[in-house]
Amino acid sequence: EVQLVESGGGLVQPGGSLRLSCAASGFTFSAYDMYWVRQAPGKGLEWVASISISGTYIFYADSVKGRFTISRDNGKNSLYLQMNSLRAEDTAVYYCARRHLMAWTFDFWGQGTLVTVSS
Amino acid sequence: QSALTQPASVSGSPGQSITISCSGASSDLSGYNYVSWYQQHPGKAPKVMIYDVTNRPSGVSNRFSGSKSGDTASLTISGLQAEDEADYYCSSHTSSNIWVFGGGTKVTVL
Repeated sequence: EVQLVESGGGLVQPGGSLRLSCAASGFTFSAYDMYWVRQAPGKGLEWVASISISGTYIFYADSVKGRFTISRDNGKNSLYLQMNSLRAEDTAVYYCARRHLMAWTFDFWGQGTLVTVSS
Repeated sequence: QSALTQPASVSGSPGQSITISCSGASSDLSGYNYVSWYQQHPGKAPKVMIYDVTNRPSGVSNRFSGSKSGDTASLTISGLQAEDEADYYCSSHTSSNIWVFGGGTKVTVL
């Protein structure tokens, strides 16, 4: 069974840092491009970052560029998001998602982890 | 990185058909067939219903169908059922290797 389990969310003060993790199981993690997508409370979905299978190609949304870093460890079947200089507007549920092998779509999502940035 | 445009809400009675539109800039939609539609129930993760404009993943009801014309993609739900009540988001991969989402459409079954 495919599973993506996010962890690391919580309450952090503005300007602080947090590292999210996503543990993958049930599929060959190293064969899939992976993504972070977030959803602010009561709002829509927002793509955050992408990483290719070997980590060679990485892309960020303008809203997080220079503050967030996506990475992966294929040996540990894990995806990460290091978030620095956090702002109130970064408050959201953060989902990790897998891209379909043969299509440009997110075919499986984790259940998400909530990040709250507040003093 | 502008978002795609969707109506905020669409409603219909059980058994009816509804269509949700999704419009975007030419760089987002018209040149690529990479539009997806996601269904999200409250408190749950999104689930892909349509990908590459018209393709339906295994296990998704054939009551869901997708199409695209120029800068506008559409999701049609036929034979509307109570379980279809949810938020729906369109999304597209773009030429700049970024992903854009629509603002979401709340579907209400009357």
